[in-house]
Amino acid sequence: DAKTTQPNSMESNEEEPVHLPCNHSTISGTDYIHWYRQLPSQGPEYVIHGLTSNVNNRMASLAIAEDRKSSTLILHRATLRDAAVYYCILRDPVQGGSEKLVFGKGTKLTVNP
Amino acid sequence: DAMVIQNPRYQVTQFGKPVTLSCSQTLNHNVMYWYQQKSSQAPKLLFHYYDKDFNNEADTPDNFQSRRPNTSFCFLDIRSPGLGDAAMYLCATSRAFTDTQYFGPGTRLTVL
Repeated sequence: DAKTTQPNSMESNEEEPVHLPCNHSTISGTDYIHWYRQLPSQGPEYVIHGLTSNVNNRMASLAIAEDRKSSTLILHRATLRDAAVYYCILRDPVQGGSEKLVFGKGTKLTVNP
Repeated sequence: DAMVIQNPRYQVTQFGKPVTLSCSQTLNHNVMYWYQQKSSQAPKLLFHYYDKDFNNEADTPDNFQSRRPNTSFCFLDIRSPGLGDAAMYLCATSRAFTDTQYFGPGTRLTVL
């Protein structure tokens, strides 16, 4: 599985935007970029995913660099409920092993009131 | 409405005493997964079922077994829990392998 690199931790203030970076310099052409997050004492939950184009949904936006070697998860207005560990995961629907989510260490986001 | 339910949320067992964790889903998904998450670590896949087809990860200890009697339910059996098996156990489901996975809240296992 292609590896991702994320900062261990980030801090934000409530109601401000948050940009969570992810580097994936060895990404293959068929790897999708997925983001999951895990709130304290809960199971992970899906946030967003994309291949090449930027993506938006009700939770967040995903900005993907033109060379696809990095991406950024954007929370437009952080709330206290967004405090969680955010995982950036590459998944290739074509290659074997695509059934797995291979979690890295993720970024622990702290949101200050 | 809860879609992936795990019972119990907290389980305490004694060293060497078999324990079973359960997971049920209301999504009618084909795939069910069990992950282990130790303190301050990322979740790690133990095994998964696609329908009744079982796949064990290569490094999952033999001490861990699973059963899936029907689409809705999946069980994780730990035959002889050791202190190192204390962890959060997460159940997840997906419609197909490459689809979004939906996780339950987890069962936190304590081994005394």
